[in-house]
Amino acid sequence: EVQLVESGGDLVRPGRSLRLVCSASGPTFGYYPMTWVRQAPGRGLEWVAYIRSKRYGGTPEYAASVKGRFTISRDDSKNIVYLQMDSLNTEDSAVYYCVRGDYDSSGHPLFTYWGQGTLVTVSS
Amino acid sequence: ERVMTQSPATLSVSPGERAILSCRASQSVGTNLAWYQQKPGQPPRLLLYGASTRATGVAARFTGSGSGTEFSLTISSLQSEDFAVYYCQQYDNWPPFTFGPGTKVDMK
Repeated sequence: EVQLVESGGDLVRPGRSLRLVCSASGPTFGYYPMTWVRQAPGRGLEWVAYIRSKRYGGTPEYAASVKGRFTISRDDSKNIVYLQMDSLNTEDSAVYYCVRGDYDSSGHPLFTYWGQGTLVTVSS
Repeated sequence: ERVMTQSPATLSVSPGERAILSCRASQSVGTNLAWYQQKPGQPPRLLLYGASTRATGVAARFTGSGSGTEFSLTISSLQSEDFAVYYCQQYDNWPPFTFGPGTKVDMK
């Protein structure tokens, strides 16, 4: 069974940094793409960042709202994916979900397994 | 960027009734569309992908249809555990992956 456990959420002041960690169980972690999705309190879902598996280059993609401030990375030897968040602002306050992807028959990524999320609050 | 919209924002349904939720894309996404269910305090759960393929363990009362820009999710006979918020999401043209704003299904 795939399990994803996020950690690192906290209350931070605007302009500061935070690193989220997602630890995954299950075999062949490195085969799968990983994603972070966030949800502000009482709001909908917003995709944040995506990282391909090494097989597809291990390269990242970012939402426009976080590009240049957030960095997604992965350590396949430890079954971990990170989200480094710099220059945080109040609009970044949300629950951040770690998502393990799968590929459909056409190679498109699916957001199949979700962690319980970790809360990030940015406030002065 | 593909903008996703959903209607209605809230759908009030009695248990045992059928619910039909709509999702629209600003441009064609083919059938590269997923539906998620989210209950309070829980993460989203993948229900359908490829517009109509049920994910593992999803009950047969959940049916998806559509292609291009118009999609629907039908819950044939609503059970108490189906009251939740439902999101559609396109994965045809990315980045970005985009979600609809959600439809809340509550009890009439």
